[in-house]
Formats: sequence, C-alpha cells, structure tokens
Amino acid sequence: KNQVEQSPQSLIILEGKNCTLQCNYTVSPFSNLRWYKQDTGRGPVSLTIMTFSENTKSNGRYTATLDADTKQSSLHITASQLSDSASYICVVSGVGTNAGKSTFGDGTTLTVKP
Amino acid sequence: DVKVTQSSRYLVKRTGEKVFLECVQDMDHENMFWYRQDPGLGLRLIYFSYDVKMKEKGDIPEGYSVSREKKERFSLILESASTNQTSMYLCASKVYRVNSPLHFGNGTRLTVT
Repeated sequence: KNQVEQSPQSLIILEGKNCTLQCNYTVSPFSNLRWYKQDTGRGPVSLTIMTFSENTKSNGRYTATLDADTKQSSLHITASQLSDSASYICVVSGVGTNAGKSTFGDGTTLTVKP
Repeated sequence: DVKVTQSSRYLVKRTGEKVFLECVQDMDHENMFWYRQDPGLGLRLIYFSYDVKMKEKGDIPEGYSVSREKKERFSLILESASTNQTSMYLCASKVYRVNSPLHFGNGTRLTVT
C-alpha cells in the first residue's frame, strides 16, 4: 500500500530561525513529489515539485530535497517569518497516476512565534 | 491566476438532508476533484472527473455522488447526510498534464447535526 509519512506532526519555532520538515514515502514506481502549503482556512497551494532526477529545488526561502533511493524528501525553510505559519503537505504521485489520485501525507503544522 | 470557487465556506445541515456542494473553476481545466480533510487523516479523494459527464470513484465514495454537466463546474452531492460526513470539503482542478499542480478552493466546512 502506498504511504506518505511526514514528521514532525507539529513544530514551533521562533521568527528568524530555520527549520526542516521531513517526508518519507513508499509510493512505487515514483513519478514526482510535491510540497503544498495550507494556510488556516485556505486550500493548499503548491510550493515546489521534485521529479526523479532532481535532488534540490528552491523557491525563495523554501528548499526541497529528494533522495529517490531512500524515498525521502525534506522541506527546509530559511529565516522563518510569521507568515510561514501553516500546514505543509507532502504529496507523492506514482507513474501513470493522475495527481488527484496521488498519496497525501497528513501534513506538518508549523507555528512561527515572534 | 487560477481561481477555484466553492459556493459556501460554512454549511450546517441536518441528518438525512440532501446536500449539494458546488465548485467552479475559471481556467478551463479538464480534471476536477473532491476531497475531504479530517484531522489525522489528511486529504482523502472522494470522486474525480476527467471531462464533462465523466466521473470516477476515489478512495472513499460511499455516501457521495457527483455531477459534472459543464466543464467548469463539479458538484458533490450527499444523498442523505450523516454525522460522520461532518468534515472540511476541498475541491481542486488541474490541467491534464502529468506534473501539473492541483489548484484548490478554500474549502467548505460542513457540519451535519
């Protein structure tokens, strides 16, 4: 059974600090992995996508990494801001899978405090 | 920017009522989806549609049906609402391309009493 596990479940950090969120998956064969950010009361918004051949990809202060051999991804947030407080969801798609039928993680809730 | 609009942010219905959740997207996307989001369970796919009048069951279709009469509109129907259908419902759309992202609406929080 395809699974996506995220850790930690929740995280509290001080503004300006860095943090790293983890995503482990068992989806096979792998096609891509996407990180979404979900603000409270809003729908998720895509931050970045990682395909099999990519190891690192940045989007501003967000940097995603992928190790396809160990089936692990991380999302690193640099110099956190209050607006980074949100849930971060890891979504993994298998080959031939429509993204809507991808496997979703339960998310990591990040709280950034002043 | 893609806009996915869900008709209601909050909805309170009684057990046994028929409930309609509406979703409209403005980017001519082929694919549309309905999910429910519950604490500790993440997003779970209820139904999706590849094209007008086409639908496929997701992981948890029991108790739900859908309608897609026009490309831009995808409706989720709870034939007889039950308390275990109290949840956040999210609609999404995407173009029919492998690596394209899902675009979500802001959700409808449904409470069934």
